[in-house]
Amino acid sequence: DSGVTQTPKHLITATGQRVTLRCSPRSGDLSVYWYQQSLDQGLQFLIQYYNGEERAKGNILERFSAQQFPDLHSELNLSSLELGDSALYFCASSEGMGDTEAFFGQGTRLTVV
Amino acid sequence: GQSLEQPSEVTAVEGAIVQINCTYQTSGFYGLSWYQQHDGGAPTFLSYNALDGLEETGRFSSFLSRSDSYGYLLLQELQMKDSASYFCAVSSNRDDKIIFGKGTRLHILP
Repeated sequence: DSGVTQTPKHLITATGQRVTLRCSPRSGDLSVYWYQQSLDQGLQFLIQYYNGEERAKGNILERFSAQQFPDLHSELNLSSLELGDSALYFCASSEGMGDTEAFFGQGTRLTVV
Repeated sequence: GQSLEQPSEVTAVEGAIVQINCTYQTSGFYGLSWYQQHDGGAPTFLSYNALDGLEETGRFSSFLSRSDSYGYLLLQELQMKDSASYFCAVSSNRDDKIIFGKGTRLHILP
């Protein structure tokens, strides 16, 4: 158990809908990262937060947004969903900034139908 | 920006040794990490190199050459449970991202 909790584990929704994925980092970790992993693909970096502030952005679509709350949990919002958004979404956390050891949650498997 | 290259697949025999290479391009390099991911599971951290040389952790070792922007993961005494995908990752002190390679799927034959 990495100590990172992601909910829900599975999500099935229709095209055009909006969903929210939730992540609770390990106790004491200030950085949260979001990654998208499609079938047989690598981990695509989406966005990173540190202590409530956005620190780095990857190839995150405009339809996607995220935030980190004062209690350090984070949410990833995906809107106007398309079939191609079906993927495994991972949250990871680390103590500080620029860490190379990150702890991953079990992921949320999103299926858009 | 950052980019990493690693082979997409490697096959080895149980009990043997296998090396998975990774070359990277990044600005403001912090270090190179390796992660293991079993099918359907989450990536788990294996090792980290910030300085040149070899780091050994049990059956796994990781090497880094900063001047060559190159590293590798060495797995010894392969076991069937080592069948997984292995990702190299770099972090930059310019923008704090952790960027992953596309992963190397390791197949182990009995």
